Amino acid sequence: DQQVKQNSPSLSVQEGRISILNCDYTNSMFDYFLWYKKYPAEGPTFLISISSIKDKNEDGRFTVFLNKSAKHLSLHIVPSQPGDSAVYFCAASAESNYQLIWGAGTKLIIKP
Amino acid sequence: GAGVSQTPSNKVTEKGKYVELRCDPISGHTALYWYRQSLGQGPEFLIYFQGTGAADDSGLPNDRFFAVRPEGSVSTLKIQRTERGDSAVYLCASSPTGAHNYGYTFGSGTRLTVV
Repeated sequence: DQQVKQNSPSLSVQEGRISILNCDYTNSMFDYFLWYKKYPAEGPTFLISISSIKDKNEDGRFTVFLNKSAKHLSLHIVPSQPGDSAVYFCAASAESNYQLIWGAGTKLIIKP
Repeated sequence: GAGVSQTPSNKVTEKGKYVELRCDPISGHTALYWYRQSLGQGPEFLIYFQGTGAADDSGLPNDRFFAVRPEGSVSTLKIQRTERGDSAVYLCASSPTGAHNYGYTFGSGTRLTVV
């Protein structure tokens, strides 16, 4: 039973355009959501997070949107750059539980 | 150190053997986590340490898996009687307090292959 789902295994975007990565979750107890980026042969790197009391959080080119009623979040990258090519993971946790539950990842390819 | 260090980076072992995987967290980080990642999947939680004690070991798949952190810094994940299904990348992460508001810092992982 996958509690966090990233339904697109891969996404290809032109350099300079917007990349939108999506994530759905099923557990209504989740109250904190994070996005990580992973390059081959490296560990995941934290990108941005959002608490369930917010619906948007922005950090430079990265914005995360949370729609609690739809149990959906998305990561927007504007403008997309070649160095953004990586696998992006969505992760979630419930209050007082330090475990992160991860999606399977979306491979983002930025085309020059 | 500057980051989370995991050794070895790669380990090939025969089915049935015992292996130890080591994690050196960022100095001063009290929280340490072990995850494992199988091909095509996201990381899967194994165990969480706060200081020297295992605060949550509910992710360890069975009693062949054990982890220690005797002095509250370096941690060792131990796998007995390895099976081919244990093949995965084992990731270690640390954070200053345990709260993941700012995310953990991960090491590059140990790729374990059981043949």
